[in-house]
Amino acid sequence: GQQLNQSPQSMFIQEGEDVSMNCTSSSIFNTWLWYKQEPGEGPVLLIALYKAGELTSNGRLTAQFGITRKDSFLNISASIPSDVGIYFCAGHPGAGSYQLTFGKGTKLSVIP
Amino acid sequence: SQTIHQWPATLVQPVGSPLSLECTVEGTSNPNLYWYRQAAGRGLQLLFYSVGIGQISSEVPQNLSASRPQDRQFILSSKKLLLSDSGFYLCAWGTHNTEAFFGQGTRLTVV
Repeated sequence: GQQLNQSPQSMFIQEGEDVSMNCTSSSIFNTWLWYKQEPGEGPVLLIALYKAGELTSNGRLTAQFGITRKDSFLNISASIPSDVGIYFCAGHPGAGSYQLTFGKGTKLSVIP
Repeated sequence: SQTIHQWPATLVQPVGSPLSLECTVEGTSNPNLYWYRQAAGRGLQLLFYSVGIGQISSEVPQNLSASRPQDRQFILSSKKLLLSDSGFYLCAWGTHNTEAFFGQGTRLTVV
């Protein structure tokens, strides 16, 4: 089956620093999604990407859909303590499938 | 706007007891509905999905079952819980077969 490799697995950063994480796949996806999950809560959709090369921002978050359609990255600028959580990427292969493939998550810790 | 409700938030059940987790969606019609399980260590595993009333697809063989008695209602059940059924269960809905929007989750501990 399809697998997503998400890295890094965890990050400890100083408040104010920029953050970058990425996901790579051995197969093509037609949609890339980025979620954030806080402890005891369900994942919340941050950004959805639908076209290869697409660059989309949501406040301090920016995500890109890789040209090859096999990768995506998420950047967070000027991190703040409330950015703490686990960030997941997810890919969807396109029409005919109902299943998202999730990465294993990047746990972000922000040191004030 | 669309909202998803999942309950209960936490549940402690003895081994061998039955289980029923309920999820409802408001503000949309004919959504795709999903049950995921998240074990400690974060990975999200798709358990069931449904594209319509009475239509259930299972992704992994297990001790659980799902039902969709109404368009916006999705139920996760078990007749006899196992210790290995412990985990964080998440209901989600989506349209266009792409995004999934998650509920708050149910923390199930089987003792």
